[in-house]
Amino acid sequence: DAGVIQSPRHEVTEMGQEVTLRCKPISGHDYLFWYRQTMMRGLELLIYFNNNVPIDDSGMPEDRFSAKMPNASFSTLKIQPSEPRDSAVYFCASSFGPRDADTQYFGPGTRLTVL
Amino acid sequence: GQSLEQPSEVTAVEGAIVQINCTYQTSGFYGLSWYQQHDGGAPTFLSYNALDGLEETGRFSSFLSRSDSYGYLLLQELQMKDSASYFCAVYNDYKLSFGAGTTVTVRA
Repeated sequence: DAGVIQSPRHEVTEMGQEVTLRCKPISGHDYLFWYRQTMMRGLELLIYFNNNVPIDDSGMPEDRFSAKMPNASFSTLKIQPSEPRDSAVYFCASSFGPRDADTQYFGPGTRLTVL
Repeated sequence: GQSLEQPSEVTAVEGAIVQINCTYQTSGFYGLSWYQQHDGGAPTFLSYNALDGLEETGRFSSFLSRSDSYGYLLLQELQMKDSASYFCAVYNDYKLSFGAGTTVTVRA
């Protein structure tokens, strides 16, 4: 299996622009998680989906952030408009089934820089 | 909410044993997970404890005491490639809440 795939790997954009991050989970996994990692705040869960349905978005920082999962093999995290404080590494992770959701497989991450 | 505490840094020599402690306060708890992250890389799963006691996986072992809200990760026979950050994470309601991480530096 190719593992969790994320694109782009690096994104540099200017403040105010829209940013879309993409994730393809491992085939057969029915949980998908979006995390943000910064030096100041560590690794934070933003939102997670089960069977394509958003279950908990309490970690989404504000309305500028939105996430979708239109099908089992694709999810997006969108920031509009982006701000310099959104600069971070964004990870997508997936896991299989409720009994194994403690074992999450992380993608390589997208390093976002907002100028 | 969740609160986890772990040391920020540990340094040891090759072949040594390192123990990374993790204490947690949480409103709900299924178990404690450990993840490894090399610089510039993604977190990778190491172990999970749902019950009290020791789980051994090769050179790495993890321990949990639910009554003490405490766990640790034991790294044995340290190798240079073990230099990385190690995170404990409380697993609850299908979500992981991560600690700030412990940077382990292995010296020759």
